[in-house]
Amino acid sequence: DTGVSQDPRHKITKRGQNVTFRCDPISEHNRLYWYRQTLGQGPEFLTYFQNEAQLEKSRLLSDRFSAERPKGSFSTLEIQRTEQGDSAMYLCASSLLVDKNIQYFGAGTRLSVL
Amino acid sequence: KQEVTQIPAALSVPEGENLVLNCSFTDSAIYNLQWFRQDPGKGLTSLLLIQSSQREQTSGRLNASLDKSSGRSTLYIAASQPGDSATYLCAVDSNYQLIWGAGTKLIIKP
Repeated sequence: DTGVSQDPRHKITKRGQNVTFRCDPISEHNRLYWYRQTLGQGPEFLTYFQNEAQLEKSRLLSDRFSAERPKGSFSTLEIQRTEQGDSAMYLCASSLLVDKNIQYFGAGTRLSVL
Repeated sequence: KQEVTQIPAALSVPEGENLVLNCSFTDSAIYNLQWFRQDPGKGLTSLLLIQSSQREQTSGRLNASLDKSSGRSTLYIAASQPGDSATYLCAVDSNYQLIWGAGTKLIIKP
């Protein structure tokens, strides 16, 4: 078990470009979460999946954001037409519902929009 | 709407001191509360999880308490070490998502 893996670790992009991040959860974890963290703040919930179903999306997740979890394994988070305000650390976590739902976090993807 | 507050925002103490970090939340209807550690530029490491039916949890030099009725949790660190320097975040589990405080940045001076 290698823990939650996120790729890439860092992404620098120009405003208006599309970016996609990937998260590989701990195997057999049925829940997967995406959070966003800006400097000096705690993470903010974006969305979560139970298996392949996306069960909840935050109002923070504008129409430019889309997340998928095909086959209930890895997940992708895409941001279209990036804006400078999208610059943040994007964190992924996974959990096993029966294990007190303890969330285990990846190292995050740091996005910088120039 | 659940809100989580951590006080102080920053704390600097000499090595060896015992210290307490505070976390308060506005809605007592929580499933559990977790304390996390975050090193600069890194992800989050779960330190302790207290279920809503529990009052405290201990792990090594760390002890976390939970008082749901007053909406408070504390993280007690005994005999602090320079390696404890990090940002400590608390998060309450409100059903499917974690609601976070902004964290306490802790510096332990050798």
